[in-house]
Amino acid sequence: QQQVKQSPQSLIVQKGGISIINCAYENTAFDYFPWYQQFPGKGPALLIAIRPDVSEKKEGRFTISFNKSAKQFSLHIMDSQPGDSATYFCAASADNYGQNFVFGPGTRLSVLP
Amino acid sequence: DTAVSQTPKYLVTQMGNDKSIKCEQNLGHDTMYWYKQDSKKFLKIMFSYNNKELIINETVPNRFSPKSPDKAHLNLHINSLELGDSAVYFCASSQEAGEETQYFGPGTRLLVL
Repeated sequence: QQQVKQSPQSLIVQKGGISIINCAYENTAFDYFPWYQQFPGKGPALLIAIRPDVSEKKEGRFTISFNKSAKQFSLHIMDSQPGDSATYFCAASADNYGQNFVFGPGTRLSVLP
Repeated sequence: DTAVSQTPKYLVTQMGNDKSIKCEQNLGHDTMYWYKQDSKKFLKIMFSYNNKELIINETVPNRFSPKSPDKAHLNLHINSLELGDSAVYFCASSQEAGEETQYFGPGTRLLVL
């Protein structure tokens, strides 16, 4: 019930392309869905987040699409750049889990120059 | 100034030893967390703690214990280290429990021989 699934495990995209990472969850109590970006040797950092009351949120080149009925959400990175190469984690939280985050297993993105 | 700092950055030790990892945040946050990231990059919460409440992930062995001398510090003590404890441990903090943004430290890479 607490699991968050994420795919693909790894992704290679050409510079300027669109990177798409998908996540799915089971617990309908989840009410907050952040994406974290982690560079090698660093801690994760919040990239963008969404709540279920909206279906899409965009910040610069990063967009979250949220499908409440399907219990799925995805991260789209437009005009992908080599500097976007990192591991991306989706996560979810809910009041009945102390608002602690449940992280997906991560997607390693490589953007080729 | 580093918002969330951890020491040491690397820790190599023998099986059976007891060790501690220190974490400090200068953000004035009320809630701190410990996460374990295994070799497959999977992030899993171990503890969340504020002045009032310690939430323990039930899968965490009782060899692990958080200790908070004050609101800005949350140290992680590990007794009788085992090979499977080898991982990267991240400390994080947020303004309050359930706050949306968690700020992660740089991680402590623990290797148990």
